[in-house]
Amino acid sequence: NAGVTQTPKFRVLKTGQSMTLLCAQDMNHEYMYWYRQDPGMGLRLIHYSVGEGTTAKGEVPDGYNVSRLKKQNFLLGLESAAPSQTSVYFCASSYSLTALGTNVLTFGAGSRLTVL
Amino acid sequence: SQQGEEDPQALSIQEGENATMNCSYKTSINNLQWYRQNSGRGLVHLILIRSNEREKHSGRLRVTLDTSKKSSSLLITASRAADTASYFCATDFSTRGVQGAQKLVFGQGTRLTINP
Repeated sequence: NAGVTQTPKFRVLKTGQSMTLLCAQDMNHEYMYWYRQDPGMGLRLIHYSVGEGTTAKGEVPDGYNVSRLKKQNFLLGLESAAPSQTSVYFCASSYSLTALGTNVLTFGAGSRLTVL
Repeated sequence: SQQGEEDPQALSIQEGENATMNCSYKTSINNLQWYRQNSGRGLVHLILIRSNEREKHSGRLRVTLDTSKKSSSLLITASRAADTASYFCATDFSTRGVQGAQKLVFGQGTRLTINP
């Protein structure tokens, strides 16, 4: 049981280049999320998805696009990378609202992106 | 910002001592979660406390919640070297996104170092 898998783990881009981060989960979770983590900023939500074919904007969506074509996969795209997008990106997933009344997140190991 | 704020930002103690971290937030919440992040890894869920609960235990972890003061604390008793990590509180606010997805807002974290 792999949980949440992110690829690639590391990537260096030049300004203006594009790339896609892939997140895959094997827990049959309904919800998936993309966060970025920057020093002193904690985690900030970029986009999230509540099911196949559905996405929504989070706190810092500008410069990013996402797609959820399959339930198990959530892709994060950067169309034209900027140095401000240098960060560590985390994917997470969760069941839909459970008996807990909230979502407990399972995180991937992270993808470190550097934009020169 | 609705972001939770952890205090202190960094904490260094001797193995065997207790570690206490605090989290404050600004608006009413549904519940609050604590996560741990080991260096270079993703976050791992530790414990959840609901807004109608005041204290919760899980092994060596004790979480309290004071909704009147809008604050929570995480106590780790009898600390071990393996407890060295960053600890984040995540607050679940009432605002719901698409189809009822609840979004967690993470604080900046407390970096805990346990010295042998």
